[in-house]
Amino acid sequence: AQKVTQAQTEISVVEKEDVTLDCVYETRDTTYYLFWYKQPPSGELVFLIRRNSFDEQNEISGRYSWNFQKSTSSFNFTITASQVVDSAVYFCALSAANRDDKIIFGKGTRLHILP
Amino acid sequence: AAGVIQSPRHLIKEKRETATLKCYPIPRHDTVYWYQQGPGQDPQFLISFYEKMQSDKGSIPDRFSAQQFSDYHSELNMSSLELGDSALYFCASSPGRVNTEAFFGQGTRLTVV
Repeated sequence: AQKVTQAQTEISVVEKEDVTLDCVYETRDTTYYLFWYKQPPSGELVFLIRRNSFDEQNEISGRYSWNFQKSTSSFNFTITASQVVDSAVYFCALSAANRDDKIIFGKGTRLHILP
Repeated sequence: AAGVIQSPRHLIKEKRETATLKCYPIPRHDTVYWYQQGPGQDPQFLISFYEKMQSDKGSIPDRFSAQQFSDYHSELNMSSLELGDSALYFCASSPGRVNTEAFFGQGTRLTVV
């Protein structure tokens, strides 16, 4: 069975601080995709990144970076120099890569960036 | 770039009424997924279609049905609405059968009163 665990339900940090959102996953598939989505108060799901299970290279996109560690089944997301606009719910998600499979979401982490 | 279009964006219905939500996938995407997100919850998979055929089914109530049409748009039909059906309903589309690039629509917020 597939499962995504985001242990941090809610995090508050002061603007300009760095913050890391944790994600641990379980799957029996050998090939899979990992995702991060941002859901701002307006409600839409904004795609941030997709990572193939074969690609363990870390990725940086502006203030965002992702650390994929297959050995610990983790796919953590770090926001550097946080801004108030980063306040949102962040979902980590997983899907199998070798069949028509749905995306399984974690419970989400609500991030508050305080001015 | 074209995105997934959902309509309506907001819908208010009374209990026991029927609602139809529409989803227009990104052009050339032949796979559509429906998700339901209750208040404070994570999105839950309902149903998916590939090439107009149902490809997977999640925790979708029997009161709900869906289909994908020849132009690849999809509709989610919800009957005998209950208060608990109030939620955000998302549609996502992807090219091909494997969910490599799932882009979500802006969602339809359904409120049942």
